[in-house]
Amino acid sequence: DIQMTQSPSTLSASVGDRVTITCRASQSISSWLAWYQQKPGKAPNLLIYKASSLESGVPSRFSGSGSGTDFTLTINSLQPDDYATYYCQQYNSYWTFGQGTKVEIK
Amino acid sequence: QLQLQESGSGLVTPSQTLSLTCAVSGGSISSGGSSWSWIRQPPGEGLEWIGYIYHSGSTYYNPSLNSRVSISVDKSKNQFSLKLRSVTAADTAVYYCARAREQAYFDYWGRGSLVTVSS
Repeated sequence: DIQMTQSPSTLSASVGDRVTITCRASQSISSWLAWYQQKPGKAPNLLIYKASSLESGVPSRFSGSGSGTDFTLTINSLQPDDYATYYCQQYNSYWTFGQGTKVEIK
Repeated sequence: QLQLQESGSGLVTPSQTLSLTCAVSGGSISSGGSSWSWIRQPPGEGLEWIGYIYHSGSTYYNPSLNSRVSISVDKSKNQFSLKLRSVTAADTAVYYCARAREQAYFDYWGRGSLVTVSS
Protein backbone atom coordinates (compact mmCIF):
# COMPACT_ATOMS: atom_id res chain seq x y z
CA ASP A 1 0.00 0.00 0.00
CA ILE A 2 1.02 3.61 -0.55
CA GLN A 3 2.32 5.56 2.46
CA MET A 4 1.96 9.33 2.71
CA THR A 5 4.38 11.39 4.80
CA GLN A 6 3.74 15.04 5.66
CA SER A 7 6.18 17.60 6.98
CA PRO A 8 6.34 19.36 9.26
CA SER A 9 4.02 17.79 11.85
CA THR A 10 3.48 21.19 13.47
CA LEU A 11 4.04 24.65 12.06
CA SER A 12 3.90 27.99 13.89
CA ALA A 13 3.04 31.01 11.76
CA SER A 14 1.64 34.53 12.04
CA VAL A 15 -1.28 36.11 10.25
CA GLY A 16 -0.10 37.27 6.85
CA ASP A 17 2.65 34.65 6.54
CA ARG A 18 3.10 32.38 3.56
CA VAL A 19 2.84 28.77 4.72
CA THR A 20 4.08 25.67 2.90
CA ILE A 21 3.25 22.06 3.80
CA THR A 22 4.91 19.13 2.08
CA CYS A 23 3.53 15.65 1.36
CA ARG A 24 5.57 12.77 0.00
CA ALA A 25 4.20 9.50 -1.39
CA SER A 26 6.05 6.19 -1.05
CA GLN A 27 5.58 5.61 -4.79
CA SER A 28 4.42 7.65 -7.73
CA ILE A 29 0.75 8.67 -7.56
CA SER A 30 0.77 10.91 -10.66
CA SER A 31 -1.46 13.86 -9.67
CA TRP A 32 -3.98 11.82 -7.68
CA LEU A 33 -3.67 13.85 -4.50
CA ALA A 34 -6.11 15.86 -2.41
CA TRP A 35 -5.68 18.26 0.51
CA TYR A 36 -8.12 18.75 3.39
CA GLN A 37 -8.46 21.21 6.25
CA GLN A 38 -9.82 20.01 9.58
CA LYS A 39 -10.79 22.13 12.56
CA PRO A 40 -11.31 20.68 16.06
CA GLY A 41 -14.56 18.74 16.38
CA LYS A 42 -15.35 19.05 12.67
CA ALA A 43 -15.13 16.81 9.65
CA PRO A 44 -12.34 17.44 7.14
CA ASN A 45 -13.07 19.90 4.36
CA LEU A 46 -11.80 19.39 0.80
CA LEU A 47 -9.48 22.18 -0.38
CA ILE A 48 -7.55 20.85 -3.38
CA TYR A 49 -7.96 17.83 -5.66
CA LYS A 50 -5.89 16.43 -8.50
CA ALA A 51 -2.87 18.04 -6.82
CA SER A 52 -3.62 21.59 -7.93
CA SER A 53 -7.34 22.03 -8.63
CA LEU A 54 -9.07 24.36 -6.18
CA GLU A 55 -12.40 23.07 -4.86
CA SER A 56 -15.35 25.39 -5.45
CA GLY A 57 -15.79 27.90 -2.64
CA VAL A 58 -12.24 27.56 -1.29
CA PRO A 59 -10.33 30.88 -1.05
CA SER A 60 -7.73 31.48 -3.73
CA ARG A 61 -4.97 31.94 -1.13
CA PHE A 62 -4.85 28.12 -1.04
CA SER A 63 -2.88 26.44 -3.82
CA GLY A 64 -1.40 23.03 -4.50
CA SER A 65 1.42 21.79 -6.68
CA GLY A 66 3.46 18.70 -7.46
CA SER A 67 3.23 15.35 -9.20
CA GLY A 68 4.74 11.91 -8.89
CA THR A 69 5.85 11.61 -5.27
CA ASP A 70 6.31 15.19 -4.01
CA PHE A 71 3.50 17.65 -3.36
CA THR A 72 3.03 21.01 -1.69
CA LEU A 73 0.13 22.92 -0.18
CA THR A 74 0.71 26.67 0.04
CA ILE A 75 -1.37 29.20 1.94
CA ASN A 76 -0.62 32.75 0.83
CA SER A 77 -1.22 35.38 3.50
CA LEU A 78 -2.40 33.17 6.37
CA GLN A 79 -5.72 34.27 7.86
CA PRO A 80 -7.06 33.67 11.40
CA ASP A 81 -9.57 31.15 10.00
CA ASP A 82 -6.71 29.05 8.58
CA TYR A 83 -5.38 27.80 11.91
CA ALA A 84 -6.24 24.12 11.62
CA THR A 85 -4.80 20.71 10.78
CA TYR A 86 -4.15 19.85 7.14
CA TYR A 87 -4.10 16.38 5.61
CA CYS A 88 -2.97 15.11 2.24
CA GLN A 89 -4.63 12.04 0.77
CA GLN A 90 -3.69 9.88 -2.21
CA TYR A 91 -6.29 8.23 -4.42
CA ASN A 92 -4.04 6.51 -6.94
CA SER A 93 -4.58 3.17 -5.24
CA TYR A 94 -7.59 3.23 -2.93
CA TRP A 95 -7.11 5.86 -0.23
CA THR A 96 -4.48 6.73 2.37
CA PHE A 97 -3.93 9.92 4.32
CA GLY A 98 -0.86 11.68 5.59
CA GLN A 99 -0.47 12.02 9.35
CA GLY A 100 -1.46 15.69 9.35
CA THR A 101 0.19 19.08 9.81
CA LYS A 102 -1.09 21.36 12.55
CA VAL A 103 -0.81 25.08 11.80
CA GLU A 104 -0.56 27.00 15.07
CA ILE A 105 -0.50 30.66 16.00
CA LYS A 106 3.03 31.99 16.42
CA GLN B 1 -26.83 20.12 -1.28
CA LEU B 2 -25.84 16.58 -0.36
CA GLN B 3 -25.93 15.78 3.36
CA LEU B 4 -24.67 12.73 5.20
CA GLN B 5 -25.62 11.80 8.76
CA GLU B 6 -24.14 9.00 10.85
CA SER B 7 -26.16 7.18 13.49
CA GLY B 8 -25.58 4.21 15.74
CA SER B 9 -24.37 3.10 19.11
CA GLY B 10 -21.89 5.39 20.84
CA LEU B 11 -20.70 2.73 23.28
CA VAL B 12 -19.68 -0.81 22.34
CA THR B 13 -18.45 -3.58 24.62
CA PRO B 14 -15.08 -5.17 23.76
CA SER B 15 -15.36 -8.22 21.47
CA GLN B 16 -18.80 -7.11 20.27
CA THR B 17 -19.81 -5.60 16.92
CA LEU B 18 -19.81 -1.89 16.12
CA SER B 19 -22.73 -0.87 13.87
CA LEU B 20 -23.23 2.50 12.20
CA THR B 21 -25.51 3.78 9.46
CA CYS B 22 -25.05 6.76 7.17
CA ALA B 23 -28.22 8.38 5.84
CA VAL B 24 -27.78 10.31 2.59
CA SER B 25 -30.10 13.20 1.74
CA GLY B 26 -30.18 15.81 -1.00
CA GLY B 27 -29.08 13.29 -3.61
CA SER B 28 -29.23 9.63 -4.59
CA ILE B 29 -26.83 7.04 -3.31
CA SER B 30 -27.20 5.44 -6.75
CA SER B 31 -25.72 8.41 -8.60
CA GLY B 32 -23.07 7.34 -11.04
CA GLY B 33 -19.43 8.09 -10.39
CA SER B 34 -19.77 8.20 -6.62
CA SER B 35 -18.69 5.71 -4.02
CA TRP B 36 -19.45 5.78 -0.32
CA SER B 37 -16.82 5.32 2.35
CA TRP B 38 -16.29 4.99 6.04
CA ILE B 39 -13.29 6.78 7.56
CA ARG B 40 -12.29 6.90 11.21
CA GLN B 41 -10.16 9.09 13.43
CA PRO B 42 -8.99 7.96 16.89
CA PRO B 43 -8.92 10.77 19.47
CA GLY B 44 -6.01 13.12 18.75
CA GLU B 45 -4.84 11.08 15.78
CA GLY B 46 -5.05 11.09 11.98
CA LEU B 47 -7.52 9.71 9.47
CA GLU B 48 -7.84 6.06 8.45
CA TRP B 49 -9.93 4.91 5.50
CA ILE B 50 -11.95 1.81 6.43
CA GLY B 51 -13.70 0.79 3.24
CA TYR B 52 -16.11 1.74 0.48
CA ILE B 53 -19.22 0.55 -1.25
CA TYR B 54 -20.58 1.36 -4.65
CA HIS B 55 -24.34 1.52 -5.30
CA SER B 56 -24.03 -1.79 -7.14
CA GLY B 57 -22.97 -3.35 -3.87
CA SER B 58 -19.33 -3.88 -4.76
CA THR B 59 -17.03 -3.24 -1.81
CA TYR B 60 -13.38 -2.92 -0.92
CA TYR B 61 -11.90 -2.76 2.53
CA ASN B 62 -8.64 -1.55 4.04
CA PRO B 63 -6.51 -4.72 4.24
CA SER B 64 -5.62 -3.91 7.84
CA LEU B 65 -9.30 -4.25 8.81
CA ASN B 66 -10.55 -6.56 6.06
CA SER B 67 -11.24 -9.60 8.22
CA ARG B 68 -13.49 -7.64 10.61
CA VAL B 69 -15.32 -5.17 8.35
CA SER B 70 -18.44 -5.31 6.26
CA ILE B 71 -20.24 -2.46 4.50
CA SER B 72 -23.69 -2.76 2.99
CA VAL B 73 -26.07 -0.46 1.09
CA ASP B 74 -29.84 -0.04 1.26
CA LYS B 75 -30.82 1.87 -1.87
CA SER B 76 -34.49 1.96 -0.87
CA LYS B 77 -33.55 3.97 2.23
CA ASN B 78 -30.70 5.86 0.56
CA GLN B 79 -28.26 4.77 3.21
CA PHE B 80 -25.23 2.58 3.79
CA SER B 81 -23.96 0.83 6.87
CA LEU B 82 -20.77 -0.31 8.60
CA LYS B 83 -20.22 -3.32 10.80
CA LEU B 84 -16.90 -3.85 12.57
CA ARG B 85 -16.62 -7.12 14.47
CA SER B 86 -14.55 -8.12 17.51
CA VAL B 87 -13.81 -4.54 18.56
CA THR B 88 -11.14 -3.54 21.05
CA ALA B 89 -10.24 -0.24 22.71
CA ALA B 90 -8.09 0.51 19.65
CA ASP B 91 -11.29 0.87 17.63
CA THR B 92 -12.40 3.85 19.72
CA ALA B 93 -12.68 6.73 17.25
CA VAL B 94 -14.87 9.25 15.53
CA TYR B 95 -16.37 7.45 12.55
CA TYR B 96 -17.18 9.50 9.45
CA CYS B 97 -19.12 8.55 6.37
CA ALA B 98 -18.14 10.34 3.17
CA ARG B 99 -18.77 10.45 -0.55
CA ALA B 100 -15.91 10.02 -2.98
CA ARG B 101 -16.56 12.11 -6.08
CA GLU B 102 -15.58 10.16 -9.18
CA GLN B 103 -14.47 7.48 -6.71
CA ALA B 104 -11.51 9.72 -5.96
CA TYR B 105 -11.53 12.51 -3.35
CA PHE B 106 -13.99 13.04 -0.50
CA ASP B 107 -16.16 16.07 -1.13
CA TYR B 108 -19.03 15.45 1.30
CA TRP B 109 -18.65 14.22 4.86
CA GLY B 110 -20.96 13.47 7.73
CA ARG B 111 -20.45 15.28 11.02
CA GLY B 112 -18.92 12.19 12.59
CA SER B 113 -20.04 9.78 15.30
CA LEU B 114 -17.89 9.05 18.33
CA VAL B 115 -17.79 5.36 19.18
CA THR B 116 -16.17 4.31 22.43
CA VAL B 117 -15.21 0.70 23.06
CA SER B 118 -15.34 0.03 26.77
CA SER B 119 -16.82 -2.41 29.23
